[in-house]
Amino acid sequence: DGGITQSPKYLFRKEGQNVTLSCEQNLNHDAMYWYRQDPGQGLRLIYYSQIVNDFQKGDIAEGYSVSREKKESFPLTVTSAQKNPTAFYLCASSIGGVNEQFFGPGTRLTVL
Amino acid sequence: AQSVTQPDIHITVSEGASLELRCNYSYGATPYLFWYVQSPGQGLQLLLKYFSGDTLVQGIKGFEAEFKRSQSSFNLRKPSVHWSDAAEYFCAVGMIKAAGNKLTFGGGTRVLVKP
Repeated sequence: DGGITQSPKYLFRKEGQNVTLSCEQNLNHDAMYWYRQDPGQGLRLIYYSQIVNDFQKGDIAEGYSVSREKKESFPLTVTSAQKNPTAFYLCASSIGGVNEQFFGPGTRLTVL
Repeated sequence: AQSVTQPDIHITVSEGASLELRCNYSYGATPYLFWYVQSPGQGLQLLLKYFSGDTLVQGIKGFEAEFKRSQSSFNLRKPSVHWSDAAEYFCAVGMIKAAGNKLTFGGGTRVLVKP
């Protein structure tokens, strides 16, 4: 089955630790995205990548980093510089351009 | 900058009743418009999209939406709601200019269905 996988579903970390969230897609999509979702705030774009080895900052990139070394993978690192990292993180992909985005099931990160 | 507003944070509807969710956008060009649905703790699923052509768009699960350029709106409707429609709904606008192609999402409307 084609789709997007995110792992793990739940992640707990201590304050001050970096943590990496996984996102893999087998849809052969060029573009990939990371969003953060907080209650009542909708989705906010963290980073996006339109092609391998290239990515751009979204609206709330501070405290986050990404890489896009392979077409199918777009991991997100939440660094200790992110002041309020506890949230639900969603990864998405699309064929590129302004087209529908396909979403993964999300990772809920809790920083203790 | 473009923006998307969903004026209703929560809507409660009885099962079998009709549903309409509002979406207003601010964007200088012809928008690409989307509606997504999210069940609790899950990712988002596309209900329907509008790029051009007929302003009344049919989607999955019996939903439809109407693009009204004069009102900058893209409201989502369903004639008869089922209990399984309880979820959060997001409207999104796509822009094809600026740095990359991306979607801007509204804040969402949570729908509760009464038996």
